[in-house]
Amino acid sequence: AQSVSQHNHHVILSEAASLELGCNYSYGGTVNLFWYVQYPGQHLQLLLKYFSGDPLVKGIKGFEAEFIKSKFSFNLRKPSVQWSDTAEYFCAASDGGSQGNLIFGKGTKLSVKP
Amino acid sequence: GAGVSQSPSNKVTEKGKDVELRCDPISGHTALYWYRQSLGQGLEFLIYFQGNSAPDKSGLPSDRFSAERTGGSVSTLTIQRTQQEDSAVYLCASSFKPRDDYEQYFGPGTRLTVT
Repeated sequence: AQSVSQHNHHVILSEAASLELGCNYSYGGTVNLFWYVQYPGQHLQLLLKYFSGDPLVKGIKGFEAEFIKSKFSFNLRKPSVQWSDTAEYFCAASDGGSQGNLIFGKGTKLSVKP
Repeated sequence: GAGVSQSPSNKVTEKGKDVELRCDPISGHTALYWYRQSLGQGLEFLIYFQGNSAPDKSGLPSDRFSAERTGGSVSTLTIQRTQQEDSAVYLCASSFKPRDDYEQYFGPGTRLTVT
């Protein structure tokens, strides 16, 4: 079955620390990958997505993610986090089909200490 | 412009009662998705609509769950004879077309608590 797993349930960092959130997927064929973010009290919103081409994709607010096909991974990174990055981050995948529905991981809560 | 809206924002109901959750998608979006976010479970896909039809209902957890969409716009998710395990945040999303290269825009969710 298609699945997405996120390794960390809760990550606590100090401001200016580097961030890497793990995401692994299990898909049989074509896969498209996404990272969504939910800031406290706000809607879920798209951070970045990968469909094809350059495996290093850049998103909003200085986030980037690298697609490593051999490792079935799509880890999210940011060189220097800010207090405003405190949020819950969800990795998601789809099979590129005609439905568009996403399979989400369980999410990683990021707390950044000022 | 207006985003996806959902109502009610919170719903507390007694076990065994029926509930209706409403979603108003972004105008012009033909695709509409329902997801459920349970404590510690991430987001679980329930059902999607293309226009008024729901080609894939496989994500609905039981036959107590049903959904409809009318006029290619508003959608209602109905849960009959609610159970405590139905307690969750129900999220609605819409996109221009039912393809993953079209961004899904999420609503604020309805928090359902079954007592």
